[in-house]
Amino acid sequence: ILNVEQSPQSLHVQEGDSTNFTCSFPSSNFYALHWYRWETAKSPEALFVMTLNGDEKKKGRISATLNTKEGYSYLYIKGSQPEDSATYLCASPDAFQGGSEKLVFGKGTKLTVNP
Amino acid sequence: DTGVSQNPRHKITKRGQNVTFRCDPISEHNRLYWYRQTLGQGPEFLTYFQNEAQLEKSRLLSDRFSAERPKGSFSTLEIQRTEQGDSAMYLCASSFNRELPQHFGDGTRLSIL
Repeated sequence: ILNVEQSPQSLHVQEGDSTNFTCSFPSSNFYALHWYRWETAKSPEALFVMTLNGDEKKKGRISATLNTKEGYSYLYIKGSQPEDSATYLCASPDAFQGGSEKLVFGKGTKLTVNP
Repeated sequence: DTGVSQNPRHKITKRGQNVTFRCDPISEHNRLYWYRQTLGQGPEFLTYFQNEAQLEKSRLLSDRFSAERPKGSFSTLEIQRTEQGDSAMYLCASSFNRELPQHFGDGTRLSIL
């Protein structure tokens, strides 16, 4: 069974700080890596879907990198703002079940940005 | 923009009662997913439909849980004889294909008294 892990579990930063967090996944049978942002009382919002080793994606102040050989992805937030406060989730399709559509999520990193 | 819609937003019920949740996906999406999220955990996969066919079902989905997607449009998730452990946020998501991100609804929060 695929295991996706995220660290740290929670993070408190000051407005203007840059920050990053990690998602780890098994490097064998890799198919794709999803990042979502989940603000309280809202629905999870897709940030990126990454498939290629060495891929780098950017959306405003948020960017992500992917290393499929060593099984990790980093999410970076530059110049954090209070509105960035959310739980950031990563997920990967359970490729061990060949062709599975099942997304396996990590527990998330809860980011709090203090004004 | 008509996103994924879930009803109700909140459901409080007594242990042993049956509950049913509804999910309306984005209209052009043929894939529909149900997840359950409990405190401190990420969403856990429950089941997946492609059009009206239920193609995957988690072992988490006991006999008390059933899901349908008649005509490949909206979906319902029913829990029979609810238990305390069923208290959770139930999320629905839809997508156009597996290479694209999933679009989530706001979820239904179930509380069992």
